[in-house]
Amino acid sequence: RKEVEQDPGPFNVPEGATVAFNCTYSNSASQSFFWYRQDCRKEPKLLMSVYSSGNEDGRFTAQLNRASQYISLLIRDSKLSDSATYLCVVNSRQHSGNTPLVFGKGTRLSVIA
Amino acid sequence: DGGITQSPKYLFRKEGQNVTLSCEQNLNHDAMYWYRQDPGQGLRLIYYSQIVNDFQKGDIAEGYSVSREKKESFPLTVTSAQKNPTAFYLCASELRGQPQHFGDGTRLSIL
Repeated sequence: RKEVEQDPGPFNVPEGATVAFNCTYSNSASQSFFWYRQDCRKEPKLLMSVYSSGNEDGRFTAQLNRASQYISLLIRDSKLSDSATYLCVVNSRQHSGNTPLVFGKGTRLSVIA
Repeated sequence: DGGITQSPKYLFRKEGQNVTLSCEQNLNHDAMYWYRQDPGQGLRLIYYSQIVNDFQKGDIAEGYSVSREKKESFPLTVTSAQKNPTAFYLCASELRGQPQHFGDGTRLSIL
């Protein structure tokens, strides 16, 4: 089983639609979770951290289910500018110090006018 | 402004040549990372460094080398041993417990 798995898409949705992405991770010791956004030929940029209680930032909502080792990202009222690849990222920080993040391959979203 | 600077933005390598990609950060972050991204693929970790004068191999370190002589700098050398170096190279830095921040990348191609 891959460490971080995402549906690659592409997800093609009309403007205004609600779209949800899912991500599963294999390491039950994982402690930190993030969603990054990557535009074509650009670097990844942090979209939001994912907290155990779930968190919301405007049109974006992230959820974490530790029991199922599952992370989700919900985008409401999709805009054309939301078109990008969304990367699920997990950190298995078991000891003090920084340990590498593990990146999913990303889910591509295209929002269509 | 604080940030991570990668240079050059585009780099071309001849067969058998070593090339060095620069990564500098003024964020006072302890940890720095190098990733490789191939078209349509995820990021793969090449090397990382948690502290000055120390670094560890990532998943695909063969054909690459790094140094960490200063906290601000983490250059990556793509050696002639790396037979398929064409890719998008991303450098990142991290303050412990916080998300990583990326430079804007270097695209390396073979002539």
